[in-house]
Amino acid sequence: DTGVSQNPRHKITKRGQNVTFRCDPISEHNRLYWYRQTLGQGPEFLTYFQNEAQLEKSRLLSDRFSAERPKGSFSTLEIQRTEQGDSAMYLCASSSPGRSETQYFGPGTRLLVL
Amino acid sequence: AQRVTQPEKLLSVFKGAPVELKCNYSYSGSPELFWYVQYSRQRLQLLLRHISRESIKGFTADLNKGETSFHLKKPFAQEEDSAMYYCALNTGFQKLVFGTGTRLLVSP
Repeated sequence: DTGVSQNPRHKITKRGQNVTFRCDPISEHNRLYWYRQTLGQGPEFLTYFQNEAQLEKSRLLSDRFSAERPKGSFSTLEIQRTEQGDSAMYLCASSSPGRSETQYFGPGTRLLVL
Repeated sequence: AQRVTQPEKLLSVFKGAPVELKCNYSYSGSPELFWYVQYSRQRLQLLLRHISRESIKGFTADLNKGETSFHLKKPFAQEEDSAMYYCALNTGFQKLVFGTGTRLLVSP
């Protein structure tokens, strides 16, 4: 499967714990995006990388959230001191710049904070 | 404010009936709009974009800047069209703002 992959697919954690998610984009894609989706809502933009540079962060991304893409390939999203409100589906997408740029989404990581 | 509105949470039609999923947007710049679809147990995928002006799986969407709309249409719905549909607006660097989605249910 050469699509975007995300691990883990599901994560259950207790409030206050730290969690880390991983996204592996399509290999030739240099742009990578993180979105969050809560029940009944569409995906909401969190942050965006071009190669290893994090170019934009949403106000939704509090200080407890940090994302990295150290070598311009895979990316990690860490949430520190999780809260129940962090429970959501975390989606990763990747793309290659161009006029017909298309974001390809991964299957998502579903986080449940108890 | 950058916003995408999909007023219908659920649209239920019979097979063969026409379908129109509504999408309105608010954006001060030149809009670039998309429709994404998510079939059951599958990931979100692009259905069509307005700049392509193409028909995918029988669906079309026309950007109406006067009415700030990008409604998705299909003349004859099929059961396999049942899915969640999201309208999305590119607000720069392909940062997408999504609507809340409309679930299309096509009954036999």
